[in-house]
Amino acid sequence: DAGVIQSPRHEVTEMGQEVTLRCKPISGHDYLFWYRQTMMRGLELLIYFNNNVPIDDSGMPEDRFSAKMPNASFSTLKIQPSEPRDSAVYFCASSPSRSTGELFFGEGSRLTVL
Amino acid sequence: QQQVKQSPQSLIVQKGGIPIINCAYENTAFDYFPWYQQFPGKGPALLIAIRPDVSEKKEGRFTISFNKSAKQFSLHIMDSQPGDSATYFCAATSGTYKYIFGTGTRLKVLA
Repeated sequence: DAGVIQSPRHEVTEMGQEVTLRCKPISGHDYLFWYRQTMMRGLELLIYFNNNVPIDDSGMPEDRFSAKMPNASFSTLKIQPSEPRDSAVYFCASSPSRSTGELFFGEGSRLTVL
Repeated sequence: QQQVKQSPQSLIVQKGGIPIINCAYENTAFDYFPWYQQFPGKGPALLIAIRPDVSEKKEGRFTISFNKSAKQFSLHIMDSQPGDSATYFCAATSGTYKYIFGTGTRLKVLA
């Protein structure tokens, strides 16, 4: 079975540019999560969706960040405008249901903002 | 109160040794405590998890010990192998998907 698929795997951009990260969750999973990983702050939950509806976006750092899930098989995380402090690895994860509790992570998108 | 404190930050053991990674929490509402394993360039993957109604759980060479009164839990890796070299994260949640992750422990098992 295909796992969570993220693209791009690596993105290098200049400050001020728009960045769009993409995620395809595992088919049949109802929950989708966006995490950010840095050395300083570890793994931080940015936002999560249930059945395509955003449930909790309290971890989104500021208005420059936005996330959408237009259908069950696709989600985007957008940063506009990007800043050097946004440099991190962004992970998408999905989960089949609350009862299992297990998160299935993608391989991440490494973002570098110059 | 929402933090999960993980130690040590890094750990080096010889093959066959038993590395132990510790986590502590404050929020008594936490009721699910997973451990995730992450290899370089990969996303974290669930290794083992425990709920507070048991004090120990084993899966293969991996064991979680849970001390509810002390609000601590730990991961033990029996007969560690070089292939276990990875970063390990503990986490906690209280019935939601808002996992609070520890800061991670980078384990290196020497051949």
